[in-house]
Amino acid sequence: DIVLTQSPGTLSLSPGERATLSCRAGQNIPNNYLGWYQQKPGQAPRLLIYGASSRATGIPDRFSGSGSGTDFTLTISRLEPEDFAVYYCQQYGRARTFGQGTKVEIK
Amino acid sequence: QVQLVQSGSELKNPGASVKVSCKASGYTFTSSAMNWVRQAPGQGLEWMGWINTNTGNPVYAQGFTGRFVFSLDTSVSTAYLQISSLKAEDTAVYYCAAYDLGDYWGQGTLVTVSS
Repeated sequence: DIVLTQSPGTLSLSPGERATLSCRAGQNIPNNYLGWYQQKPGQAPRLLIYGASSRATGIPDRFSGSGSGTDFTLTISRLEPEDFAVYYCQQYGRARTFGQGTKVEIK
Repeated sequence: QVQLVQSGSELKNPGASVKVSCKASGYTFTSSAMNWVRQAPGQGLEWMGWINTNTGNPVYAQGFTGRFVFSLDTSVSTAYLQISSLKAEDTAVYYCAAYDLGDYWGQGTLVTVSS
């Protein structure tokens, strides 16, 4: 299994600030098949980014993904009130696994 | 539009079994594999595995072998997750998810195991 480690566990920021979330894989992810999800309480996860850097349909351009191989980043350029949530990375290059999540909370 | 609609919440005693359904609509059922994801209370997402909707062949992730069974009824475009010999630690929300035509998730089914 490809183990994904997300950091930090919690990010305390104010609206308008920039958020940088990290996802590190224990081994190379084939084809950079890495996605990012947002989850709010009581809701199913929503896909933000696939293929490490492609935005899913309808996702605002303040969300961007980067990285390759074993190191990936999700950046939210300016936090909106609705962006405070938990974010997960998922690799689908070899079976699938999720990271443990990063909570973005209001400071 | 693609929809995955799951069955309702369940309360089960330890040792019992539960079967969660996931009914697909808005696409050809066999066009996408069906995945299952578990989320224990206050915890993260765990991918449980997937089932090939053409062949019915299931693939289980580590930690989800033995008591967990994925199945299909293609005549009604429905996937099932059955869990036997339920334990308290099986208490979780279970999601079905179809990734091959986009990224679609069911609304989740809460399974509570408690005496």
